[in-house]
Amino acid sequence: GQQVMQIPQYQHVQEGEDFTTYCNSSTTLSNIQWYKQRPGGHPVFLIQLVKSGEVKKQKRLTFQFGEAKKNSSLHITATQTTDVGTYFCAGVGGSEKLVFGKGTKLTVNP
Amino acid sequence: DAGVIQSPRHEVTEMGQEVTLRCKPISGHNSLFWYRQTMMRGLELLIYFNNNVPIDDSGMPEDRFSAKMPNASFSTLKIQPSEPRDSAVYFCASSLGAGPGETQYFGPGTRLLVL
Repeated sequence: GQQVMQIPQYQHVQEGEDFTTYCNSSTTLSNIQWYKQRPGGHPVFLIQLVKSGEVKKQKRLTFQFGEAKKNSSLHITATQTTDVGTYFCAGVGGSEKLVFGKGTKLTVNP
Repeated sequence: DAGVIQSPRHEVTEMGQEVTLRCKPISGHNSLFWYRQTMMRGLELLIYFNNNVPIDDSGMPEDRFSAKMPNASFSTLKIQPSEPRDSAVYFCASSLGAGPGETQYFGPGTRLLVL
């Protein structure tokens, strides 16, 4: 079945450093979404990408959708302690269901 | 808007007991999803409803799990009998439309511990 893999599983950075998480699908995706889950919280929608090669920005966050629509990335510039949490990608492929990756847990050392 | 409401927020029970989790989706949303989150398996979709009708329950682990949506503003997930391996955080989410690519709004979750 459809699988969505995320790497790395964990990332620890110093405040001010950049951070990137990568998402790869076993199948072509019609769209991909990114969610953030704070420690002890619930997933919160960040953004959706639908077009091949699409790039979207939200302040210090940059989201990309690959040309083949099978991969995506989230890049955070100059991390802050408020960026702490787990970042999930979720994609819709052949299964016609939104399948979540296992997430990348980001910790930021002040 | 109050967002998705789940109850209880925490549940501790003993093996063999029945557990009922409750969810109230965002008003006007047509789709409702039940997820289970564990460290080992991540976020797993258990079942989802569209217009109160179960569309895909292929993620429901086994017959001990059942879900209902008697009306547009209420859904339950029941585990009977519960087992220690059911310990997890159970999230309910809702979305406005029926498509799988719709943005999902998650509730705060129910943290279930089965002893």
